[in-house]
Amino acid sequence: QSALTQPPSASGSPGQSVTISCAGTSSDVGGYNYVSWYQQNPGKAPKLMIYAVNKRPSGVPDRFSGSKSGNTASLTVSGLQAEDEADYYCSSYAGNDNYYVFGTGTKVTVL
Amino acid sequence: QVQLVESGGGVVQPGRSLRLSCAASGFTFSGYAMHWVRQAPGKGLEWVAVIWYDGSSKYHADSVKGRFTISRDNPKNTLYLQMDSLRGEDTAVYYCARDGAYRLDSWGQGTLVTVSS
Repeated sequence: QSALTQPPSASGSPGQSVTISCAGTSSDVGGYNYVSWYQQNPGKAPKLMIYAVNKRPSGVPDRFSGSKSGNTASLTVSGLQAEDEADYYCSSYAGNDNYYVFGTGTKVTVL
Repeated sequence: QVQLVESGGGVVQPGRSLRLSCAASGFTFSGYAMHWVRQAPGKGLEWVAVIWYDGSSKYHADSVKGRFTISRDNPKNTLYLQMDSLRGEDTAVYYCARDGAYRLDSWGQGTLVTVSS
């Protein structure tokens, strides 16, 4: 059960966009449309931001969007705001053998 | 509103056992699969286990297979994680989370487990 690969860090100025990649395999990201993204602030529980590759739960700003191409998923945060500074994790369903896998996490800094 | 409250964490010696609980409220507990996810200090999220809404299927991560067991008591609206043969690398905050169709849509606040002699 290898973790999905994310860049350790990403940054942008307020109002800019930042995109985080999430690289998996055909057994997880590439094999199912069950990629999710979670935001985690220090000392807090994760919060679901994107599910099923590109769907937003109620209450999540439309500045957050998701996509997938092959074995790599991406999260884009447009119009960066100071409150977006957090750790972000991707995840994917991985079939009945490994079931669920998280990414390595990306720290987003708003400059 | 959905509420998940973990309990049972603490300091335990290597090789010993601990049982975590997660009390659920605000939704029909018996209608949802449930997960445990952990996070070692300063590290990323690691999926631990999932149990079907009726307990009929369970899956565990390779890192805990044979040592940890997920279970649930639907009449009591409670999820459990029995942790045996604990190791130092099991030190982490343990979260329970609700499964909303292959996405974890609600999380508890977590309970810290420290494995140390």
